[in-house]
Amino acid sequence: KQEVTQIPAALSVPEGENLVLNCSFTDSAIYNLQWFRQDPGKGLTSLLLIQSSQREQTSGRLNASLDKSSGRSTLYIAASQPGDSATYLCAVRGSSNTGKLIFGQGTTLQVKP
Amino acid sequence: EAGVTQSPTHLIKTRGQQATLRCSPISGHTSVYWYQQALGLGLQFLLWYDEGEERNRGNFPPRFSGRQFPNYSSELNVNALELEDSALYLCASSLGVKAFFGQGTRLTVV
Repeated sequence: KQEVTQIPAALSVPEGENLVLNCSFTDSAIYNLQWFRQDPGKGLTSLLLIQSSQREQTSGRLNASLDKSSGRSTLYIAASQPGDSATYLCAVRGSSNTGKLIFGQGTTLQVKP
Repeated sequence: EAGVTQSPTHLIKTRGQQATLRCSPISGHTSVYWYQQALGLGLQFLLWYDEGEERNRGNFPPRFSGRQFPNYSSELNVNALELEDSALYLCASSLGVKAFFGQGTRLTVV
């Protein structure tokens, strides 16, 4: 059974810092991994998707990496801003076509001005 | 292009009643997924519809059901509401690998 863990659960940093959010999964047989952002009480915004054959994806100040063999992904945020404050969720889709995403519990990020 | 839209935004029901939540996918997307985000439990997979058929369901009782219409929009029905059904219900759609989520319906059962 796939389990997804995100560490740390919460993180507070001063504006301008570079930071790394971690995601680990127990079953390496994944189809893809997706990083989302969620603002309080709102839906999910897709940030980056990495296919199982890829090692990383970049979008602006965000870079996500995937090491399938070790069951790990990281989300790197460069030059953090107060507007980056949100909960970040990673989710994996298994290689069998069940349609479902397995989510981690999320990392709540606060960027202080 | 419009994203995934859900209605209503908020819904308050009494224990034992039925709730109906609606989702319109992104134009051209044929798959719709429903997730429950209850406080402290994270996002849990509920249902997957594709081309009008239920393809998979999560570990939820049968009083959680739904359907997908010919235009690919979807309904989630929750019967015999219980207090623990209070949660944010999120709908997502996809055409292929990437899932796009709506803003959710906040269901409160009193």
